[in-house]
Amino acid sequence: LAKTTQPISMDSYEGQEVNITCSHNNIATNDYITWYQQFPSQGPRFIIQGYKTKVTNEVASLFIPADRKSSTLSLPRVSQSDTAVYYCLVGHSGAGSYQLTFGKGTKLSVIP
Amino acid sequence: GAGVSQSPRYKVAKRGQDVALRCDPISGHVSLFWYQQALGQGPEFLTYFQNEAQLDKSGLPSDRFFAERPEGSVSTLKIQRTQQEDSAVYLCASSPGLVQETQYFGPGTRLLVL
Repeated sequence: LAKTTQPISMDSYEGQEVNITCSHNNIATNDYITWYQQFPSQGPRFIIQGYKTKVTNEVASLFIPADRKSSTLSLPRVSQSDTAVYYCLVGHSGAGSYQLTFGKGTKLSVIP
Repeated sequence: GAGVSQSPRYKVAKRGQDVALRCDPISGHVSLFWYQQALGQGPEFLTYFQNEAQLDKSGLPSDRFFAERPEGSVSTLKIQRTQQEDSAVYLCASSPGLVQETQYFGPGTRLLVL
C-alpha cells in the first residue's frame, strides 16, 4: 500500500502559480496518481490523473519524474475560489485488490 | 446530468443504534466505493463494488460495518450498534468502469453518534 506525504498547508496570493508536491516512495509499477480537490461539506472532485511524465488539462498540470516517487500538482494563476484541500491519491487494481490511498491533504489558502 | 447522491445528508444516532446510509451512483456506473472521512483527515477507503460484487471490503473497520449493492446500482452502508468513534462523514463515489478511472463523489453523509 503506497503511502503518500504532502505539506499540511500552503498560502498563495491570487494570480500566482501554486505547486503542491506529493511523495510516494513506495509506488508500485501499476499504480497511477490522481489529485482531488475538496471544499467544505462537499465530496472530493477529480482534478487530474497521470502515470508518468506530464499531463495537462484545462485546470492543472501534473508533473511526474522518471522514478515516480513523487508528483507535483501545478495550479496556474490561482484565485480565491481555489481555496480548498488538495489530496494526492495513489492506487491500482490488481487481481482481487482495489487499494486506494488518499494523503492527508494540503490545505491551500489563496489570499486576495 | 445527475451526480452521485447520498441520503440522509445528516444523521444523529444514539450509541448502540443501527444506521443505514444510502448511495445512488451515477446511472450506469459499474464501480462504487465507500469512504470514511474523519474531521480534518483525508477519506479512507472502506469497500469497493464492481456491479453487485463486493470485490474488496478490507477497509471496513469492524464486523459492525456491512455494505451491499444487490442490483448493481444503489448501495447501502449499514453500521450496527454504532459507537462514538463511528462519527465521521461517509462518502460514496462511483466510476464508469475500472477503478483507475475518475471517481465521482457524492456530498457525503455526516454521522454523529452521541
